[in-house]
Amino acid sequence: QSALTQPASVSGSPGQSITISCTGTSSDVGGYNYVSWYQQHPGKAPKLMIYDVTKRPSGVSNRFSGSKSGNTASLTISGLQTEDEADYYCSSYTSSSTLVFGGGTKLTVL
Amino acid sequence: QVQLQESGPGLVNPSETLSLTCTVSGGSISSYYWSWIRQPPGKGLEWIGYIYYSGSTRYNPSLESRVTISVDTSKNQFSLKLSSVTAADTAVYYCARAGGYGGQFAYWGQGTLVTASS
Repeated sequence: QSALTQPASVSGSPGQSITISCTGTSSDVGGYNYVSWYQQHPGKAPKLMIYDVTKRPSGVSNRFSGSKSGNTASLTISGLQTEDEADYYCSSYTSSSTLVFGGGTKLTVL
Repeated sequence: QVQLQESGPGLVNPSETLSLTCTVSGGSISSYYWSWIRQPPGKGLEWIGYIYYSGSTRYNPSLESRVTISVDTSKNQFSLKLSSVTAADTAVYYCARAGGYGGQFAYWGQGTLVTASS
């Protein structure tokens, strides 16, 4: 299975909004509503930010939102804050009943 | 609060078997999907596989021939064995709990670095 495709890096200024894309195929992202997004700060374990495409776990800021169109899922962060600077990974369930991650996106808050 | 803790050797000789255990506290291992995920230094996350508490498993096709994940409900633990390791298997290994088979990993261990080197 191939990793999902994410941009290597995105950047934004405090207060702005950014969107990170996650592109797969009809056998993973496009075929199931099981896309999750994770935030990872250096040296730390990943943290679940979005699951099942659009759902937010308790305690996660409503500045984080998820969506999907066709084979591409997206994570939007509004009102960027300096603490949002981190690596972000998407994941998806696949038609082989396995899971696959994206390559990761480094978010820089300028 | 559910907590996960990885344990096992930090150094493995090439061609030998990597063995790690994840101990779950603050909740029962019964129900949920339990996974191993790894991250080579400076690189992205790679899903290794998962086990349901009943014992059913699914593995990453690229690792399937070398991976075994097992569960011990009496000890609230699950384990990873990866055979014939090479330097490419050097990574931080995380154990994690998913809310369902869709992979919603809400709980993670802190991770443990395993280096494959002689």
